[in-house]
Amino acid sequence: ELKVEQNPLFLSMQEGKNYTIYCNYSTTSDRLYWYRQDPGKSLESLFVLLSNGAVKQEGRLMASLDTKARLSTLHITAAVHDLSATYFCAVDGRGSQGNLIFGKGTKLSVKP
Amino acid sequence: GAGVSQSPSNKVTEKGKDVELRCDPISGHTALYWYRQRLGQGLEFLIYFQGNSAPDKSGLPSDRFSAERTGESVSTLTIQRTQQEDSAVYLCASSLSAGSSGYTFGSGTRLTVV
Repeated sequence: ELKVEQNPLFLSMQEGKNYTIYCNYSTTSDRLYWYRQDPGKSLESLFVLLSNGAVKQEGRLMASLDTKARLSTLHITAAVHDLSATYFCAVDGRGSQGNLIFGKGTKLSVKP
Repeated sequence: GAGVSQSPSNKVTEKGKDVELRCDPISGHTALYWYRQRLGQGLEFLIYFQGNSAPDKSGLPSDRFSAERTGESVSTLTIQRTQQEDSAVYLCASSLSAGSSGYTFGSGTRLTVV
């Protein structure tokens, strides 16, 4: 059974600081996704990582994938308050035929 | 349409009643997924449809849950004899095909069972 674990689950940080969210998964996967969810809202796609060593950056967020370690990271650079949200990683497991398995999410709070 | 549309956005129902939740996927998306998100939790996969193939129902939590899809368009998720533990946000997503890399989520239906 494919399992996805994120840590930390809660993260409080100050503006201007850097931090990394980790996403581990238990079996081989072809793709890894990062989503953002604001309170009471749906999920917004941030990144889709399709291969080992993939790195994608958008603004202050950078995501990477190491399929050998079954690990993805979401790095936050010089955090700002607008980044406060819950971040989910999800894995499209081999043979899963498309349904995503989600981590429990990391609730990020950026304080001024 | 331009995005995935779900209705109603909010539903309050009495315990024991049946509810139907609706999802309109993006036009041309052959794959459609239902997920459940309990308060403060991640998303649990419920069911997905791919074209005219038999749906993958492996995530449905009990036989009170069922879903249908008409061709490659609208889907309804039905919960019979609702229980308080069914209270959650039910999210629908669609993609061009199963396993394609672009999933678009709807805004969800917040179900409250009282």
